[in-house]
Amino acid sequence: AIVLNQSPSSIIASQGEKVTITCRASSSISSNYLHWYQQKPGAFPKLVIYSTSYRASGVPSRFSGSGSGTSYSFTISRVEAEDVATYYCQQGSSNPFTFGSGTKLEIK
Amino acid sequence: QVQLKESGPGLVQPSQTLSLTCTVAGFSLTSYNVHWVRQPPGKGLEWMGVIWNTGGTRYNSALKSRLSISKDTSKSQVFLKMNSLQTEDTATYYCARDRGIAAMMDAWGQGASVTVSS
Repeated sequence: AIVLNQSPSSIIASQGEKVTITCRASSSISSNYLHWYQQKPGAFPKLVIYSTSYRASGVPSRFSGSGSGTSYSFTISRVEAEDVATYYCQQGSSNPFTFGSGTKLEIK
Repeated sequence: QVQLKESGPGLVQPSQTLSLTCTVAGFSLTSYNVHWVRQPPGKGLEWMGVIWNTGGTRYNSALKSRLSISKDTSKSQVFLKMNSLQTEDTATYYCARDRGIAAMMDAWGQGASVTVSS
């Protein structure tokens, strides 16, 4: 199984700050198969970025993604209070379609 | 409007079988795949399995011996059955839609909370 190592496990940021989350895969993944989800407290996950760098419908432009091979990143250019959530990467390249362990974002 | 809604028993006894239903609206199960994902309390997401639009299935090997996913396209319903439940199967169970692009889950249900306890 492809293991996705997400870091950091938690972030405390100020509003307006830039934050970056890294997702490293144990085997190379096509960039088409790496996605990011946002899960707000008490809610279901929501697709934010698909195929490494494409924003899902309705997602603000402050969210972006990049990467290739085994190294991927997710960035919020200017954090807002509403971005408080846990973020997960997920690979759809091989069974099982694993998720990263999550990064919890809090606001100072 | 795309909707997915999970339903099933909130409490299951150890060693028993869990049966969940995902009822969808706004899209056809003949055109989209549906995944099941679970989340133990306070923990991360675990992919369980998928039923393709064609009716084929793929399971997480860690659960494969206990898990079955099926569907009734005419009723817009997807079914999950998992046997031999243990306390560690206590979780919120989600169904999610995949439009066939690299297992990208673009719509999710609100989740069904399942507790395994006697």
